[in-house]
Amino acid sequence: EVQLVESGGGLVKPGGSMRLSCAASGFSFNKYNMVWVRQAPGEGLEWVSIIASSGSFIYYADSVKGRFTVSRDNAKYSLSLEMNSLRVEDTAVYYCARLDILTSYDEASFDYWGQGTLVTVSS
Amino acid sequence: QSVLTQPPSLSGAPGQRVIISCTGGSSNIGAGYNVHWYQQVQGKAPKLLIYNNINRPSGVPDRFSGSKSGTSASLAIAGLQAEDEADYYCQSHDSGLSSWVFGGGTKLTVL
Repeated sequence: EVQLVESGGGLVKPGGSMRLSCAASGFSFNKYNMVWVRQAPGEGLEWVSIIASSGSFIYYADSVKGRFTVSRDNAKYSLSLEMNSLRVEDTAVYYCARLDILTSYDEASFDYWGQGTLVTVSS
Repeated sequence: QSVLTQPPSLSGAPGQRVIISCTGGSSNIGAGYNVHWYQQVQGKAPKLLIYNNINRPSGVPDRFSGSKSGTSASLAIAGLQAEDEADYYCQSHDSGLSSWVFGGGTKLTVL
């Protein structure tokens, strides 16, 4: 069974840093491109970042570029999101999700999602 | 303002058919990129409902169907049931933004 479990969320002050993790199981993690998607309270979904299965490409949304860093450890079946210079508007539930392996990364659906972890940026 | 436009809310009675629209532009849906649909029940993570415009993942009832034409896509739900009450999001890729984009979401209420 495919499972994605996020952790690391919590309360942080504006300007602070936080590292989120996503533990994967039930599939060959090293074969799949992965994404982070966030959802502010009461709002819609926003794509944050994508990382290739091998880490060969990484892209970020303009809203987080230069502040967030995505990485993965295929040996540990783990995905991470390092968030720096956090702003109040970064407050959201952060989901990791897996991309459909059968479709090109720019056309693929997000076929499995974790349960999310809440990040609150507030003084 | 979302790149993909969805109606904020829709409602229908049990047994009815509803259609949720998703309107994009020439750099996303109109450029030929796939459209995917997700269902999010209150307090839960999104779940893939329709992928690559028209396909249903295993376990999704055939009451749900997707279509795409030009710069728009639609999700149809037939035989509406109480358990279909949720938020629905369309998603695609935008070449101009080099970004994966979502619609603003449609809150479906089953009367």
